[in-house]
Amino acid sequence: DSGVTQTPKHLITATGQRVTLRCSPRSGDLSVYWYQQSLDQGLQFLIQYYNGEERAKGNILERFSAQQFPDLHSELNLSSLELGDSALYFCASSATVNTEAFFGQGTRLTVV
Amino acid sequence: AQKVTQAQTEISVVEKEDVTLDCVYETRDTTYYLFWYKQPPSGELVFLIRRNSFDEQNEISGRYSWNFQKSTSSFNFTITASQVVDSAVYFCALSEAYPSDSWGKLQFGAGTQVVVTP
Repeated sequence: DSGVTQTPKHLITATGQRVTLRCSPRSGDLSVYWYQQSLDQGLQFLIQYYNGEERAKGNILERFSAQQFPDLHSELNLSSLELGDSALYFCASSATVNTEAFFGQGTRLTVV
Repeated sequence: AQKVTQAQTEISVVEKEDVTLDCVYETRDTTYYLFWYKQPPSGELVFLIRRNSFDEQNEISGRYSWNFQKSTSSFNFTITASQVVDSAVYFCALSEAYPSDSWGKLQFGAGTQVVVTP
């Protein structure tokens, strides 16, 4: 158990809908990352927060947004969902700079 | 730009054989970190190792060992005496180090599927 908790584990929704994925980092970790894993793109970095502030963005679609709350948990919001958004979404956390990231179990999103 | 190449898509071995996974990386940074993660069939990503670019010592942890060679930009991973439980996808990854603007962001390779049969 990495200590990073993601909910829900599975999510099935229809095209055009909006979903929210939740992540609780390891206790004390300040940095949260979101990654998307799909068969065609592999593991892709989406966005990073550090102590509540957005730090870095990857190839995150405009339909996707995220935030990190004062208690350091994070949410990834996906809207106007398309079939191609079906993927495994991982959250990871790290203590601070230059420390390894630990991953949650992922949320498997299926858009039908 | 950073790039991580894992040329082996899948490796199949019989239990107790050794298996070596190749990882070649590209980066312009002088300070960076290299990682290996394991993704078993259950789907989670399990951290295995992090190596600083200044530390070229090889590392051994039980049946796992890592060979970092900066001269060839490679960070290879060997599983000795493989077991069925080693069956998983293994990812090599690279990140820049602070104070780079992109510290922490992991650039993953495509992964290598290891299949260990009894």
